[in-house]
Amino acid sequence: AQSVTQLGSHVSVSEGALVLLRCNYSSSVPPYLFWYVQYPNQGLQLLLKYTSAATLVKGINGFEAEFKKSETSFHLTKPSAHMSDAAEYFCAVSAPQGGSEKLVFGKGTKLTVNP
Amino acid sequence: GAGVSQSPRYKVAKRGQDVALRCDPISGHVSLFWYQQALGQGPEFLTYFQNEAQLDKSGLPSDRFFAERPEGSVSTLKIQRTQQEDSAVYLCASGSGRGAGELFFGEGSRLTVL
Repeated sequence: AQSVTQLGSHVSVSEGALVLLRCNYSSSVPPYLFWYVQYPNQGLQLLLKYTSAATLVKGINGFEAEFKKSETSFHLTKPSAHMSDAAEYFCAVSAPQGGSEKLVFGKGTKLTVNP
Repeated sequence: GAGVSQSPRYKVAKRGQDVALRCDPISGHVSLFWYQQALGQGPEFLTYFQNEAQLDKSGLPSDRFFAERPEGSVSTLKIQRTQQEDSAVYLCASGSGRGAGELFFGEGSRLTVL
């Protein structure tokens, strides 16, 4: 079974500050890991994914995440926050060995960016 | 189509009514998933199709929930005798089925049960 824990349901940063959104996972098999972003009244958009290649993954809009197996973590970072980054962010895990793309999501972290 | 399309975007139902939510996946996508997202929560898995076969329905909360994908393309999620706790956004996602893991999500159908 797989699960994801996102530490902090709300994160607030100033424009230009570092963004750090935390995600820890549990998986009995080597996982694939994802970060999705959701803007109000919209669906989920993929930011980046880890699929067992490079442990440092770069995504869209300047975001990146590092897979750390020893810490079972996949934290999302961005060096400098922009007002347009305000949204809800979801970390998700899948077990591709089973042949399914089924994702298990965390509860989400709402990011607020202050001017 | 260019993306996953869901309809209706908004649905208000009286308790006890039946509702049907439609999902039109990306053309050629083999996998189709339904998720339920309650207010302030992450998406919760409901069910999964590979082509027309429903391979996993372990997340359906009760026998009032039923999903189908008869021709392996468009899918319908039906909720019978709706209850207030069914109020949520229902998200549909499709994937290539090649195990790369990326799912493409629609904008969701927001159901409000009064």
